[in-house]
Amino acid sequence: GENVEQHPSTLSVQEGDSAVIKCTYSDSASNYFPWYKQELGKRPQLIIDIRSNVGEKKDQRIAVTLNKTAKHFSLHITETQPEDSAVYFCAAILLEYQLTFGKGTKLSVIP
Amino acid sequence: EAQVTQNPRYLITVTGKKLTVTCSQNMNHEYMSWYRQDPGLGLRQIYYSMNVEVTDKGDVPEGYKVSRKEKRNFPLILESPSPNQTSLYFCASSLSLLGHGQYFGPGTRLTVT
Repeated sequence: GENVEQHPSTLSVQEGDSAVIKCTYSDSASNYFPWYKQELGKRPQLIIDIRSNVGEKKDQRIAVTLNKTAKHFSLHITETQPEDSAVYFCAAILLEYQLTFGKGTKLSVIP
Repeated sequence: EAQVTQNPRYLITVTGKKLTVTCSQNMNHEYMSWYRQDPGLGLRQIYYSMNVEVTDKGDVPEGYKVSRKEKRNFPLILESPSPNQTSLYFCASSLSLLGHGQYFGPGTRLTVT
């Protein structure tokens, strides 16, 4: 079936280092790829998204890249800070009106 | 304040006792959705609605029902809850699905014994 695979499931980085989370998707027709951040005990919140007609998008310390040919997209966080510690989810529209999420990456930023 | 609200936030119930989790948004969003979150499985879509009176199944619809009689409300109904429906449930809404991030409600933690 259609799915989104996300790696790694856990990631630990030193404060100030960069973090990269990768997702692959199965439906070549997918055209919208959001990323969500979920802090412990809280709801997921959109942090950045990208549409299929764009290869890269940046917002301060976070960026997302998309490779439609390879069907993968990645989240890049630079100069990580302790408040970046959270679970990050990628998602993609795999069927016309459905948003499918990856299983999440738990990011720990070590001070 | 723009928001998505869910009630109740916590619920402990017994197998077979019908329950409804309400969801309401005040942003005039057309798209609404229900997800369940389980450890190691991420967020899985239960049902979604493109607009009033338009609903469709997501990835894990078995055991759930929804309705969309008004634009702002999208209740989740468990006719006969079972222990495997113990989970954290999120309602979400967005202006549309493409190009707009979803706003999530605060979540409802359901335990079925």
